[in-house]
Amino acid sequence: GAGVSQSPSNKVTEKGKDVELRCDPISGHTALYWYRQSLGQGLEFLIYFQGNSAPDKSGLPSDRFSAERTGGSVSTLTIQRTQQEDSAVYLCASSVSGGAEAFFGQGTRLTVV
Amino acid sequence: AQSVTQPDIHITVSEGASLELRCNYSYGATPYLFWYVQSPGQGLQLLLKYFSGDTLVQGIKGFEAEFKRSQSSFNLRKPSVHWSDAAEYFCAVYGGSQGNLIFGKGTKLSVKP
Repeated sequence: GAGVSQSPSNKVTEKGKDVELRCDPISGHTALYWYRQSLGQGLEFLIYFQGNSAPDKSGLPSDRFSAERTGGSVSTLTIQRTQQEDSAVYLCASSVSGGAEAFFGQGTRLTVV
Repeated sequence: AQSVTQPDIHITVSEGASLELRCNYSYGATPYLFWYVQSPGQGLQLLLKYFSGDTLVQGIKGFEAEFKRSQSSFNLRKPSVHWSDAAEYFCAVYGGSQGNLIFGKGTKLSVKP
């Protein structure tokens, strides 16, 4: 597709379960970003990939969060043992080789019950 | 540290009235600045960007923004608001530690008929 695609668009999960969120960036974009948008917290940067490599994972909120990117394309954000405070909209963005202009997907709304 | 401040959490304007949304940034060098719009349940759409040059930039949907270095501001304006402009607006600066965007907390715009 022409834009950044995220799936699922909505996810409701029980506390303690693991979830996987997927991001398919714009073709040819080597840079990929994950952000979290929580009520009252604004947009929080989580992790950046250049190609398949994420040089710094310090933005991930806890060790329950992990992310990977394969083939320089699709990325998955995994949250293990979900907690209610993980409820948020998770946004993915991509850009050309880390250029400043990032294009965002529609987001995945995660609700932990 | 770099930061973005949007002083107004919520603004209501009448349809047809003019609009100005405020944004102040803190950044050491020449900033790359952005305004994004988010409609309910949607991702972020880029309205306009400033990299260099002319300090008055034009964007989509009739929006413009003016970069004022002396005031560290990048305010968004529209001469005549339409009901479809009701959304949340985010100002951002490029320059996080991993080339990520740093966002303000957003301004929610409501439009009265």
